[in-house]
Amino acid sequence: QQQVKQSPQSLIVQKGGISIINCAYENTAFDYFPWYQQFPGKGPALLIAIRPDVSEKKEGRFTISFNKSAKQFSLHIMDSQPGDSATYFCAASKETSGSRLTFGEGTQLTVNP
Amino acid sequence: DADVTQTPRNRITKTGKRIMLECSQTKGHDRMYWYRQDPGLGLRLIYYSFDVKDINKGEISDGYSVSRQAQAKFSLSLESAIPNQTALYFCATSDPVRPYNEQFFGPGTRLTVL
Repeated sequence: QQQVKQSPQSLIVQKGGISIINCAYENTAFDYFPWYQQFPGKGPALLIAIRPDVSEKKEGRFTISFNKSAKQFSLHIMDSQPGDSATYFCAASKETSGSRLTFGEGTQLTVNP
Repeated sequence: DADVTQTPRNRITKTGKRIMLECSQTKGHDRMYWYRQDPGLGLRLIYYSFDVKDINKGEISDGYSVSRQAQAKFSLSLESAIPNQTALYFCATSDPVRPYNEQFFGPGTRLTVL
């Protein structure tokens, strides 16, 4: 069963708009919640990550919002650009799992010029 | 630059054939992973290794085997390939001192089983 569920599967946004991708998790033992970005023909790469002791983390145009009680977290991309077009994966990890990551299903984001 | 490389990048094979995918890294990381990516299913862990003498099954290990030949090399084998093993395969590495259990991925191998 999918321990981390991600939505939507695909998203189309106009340049300058806000892209929002949501994830929900089941296991309350998860310690880290990273987001990975994957461009066509490339492997995923870490974009931004958060721990459950904070509700929000911002890096440039990218923000993670975290709701521990709801077991949900989301990625917001402000002022979306065509160069942001990629597949985004949320993930979750436990400190005690030795670096194992559980990934969501992925969201294909297209930002139209 | 320290990197993760995968060979081959693309492979077409027939049902029943044995095939090996190779991963090499120059990052000096002890931990290595094999994932498969399927549309709508995300990345699923096949096998992982925390050092040369350590091999662990992931969530979808049936039909696959691995070999950790050295710290820098981790190979994935399909003993008898079947069409539903058609997927994009990724190797990754990690260093436990990095935050968020960050993993570094190779460029992937696209495997087609006819």
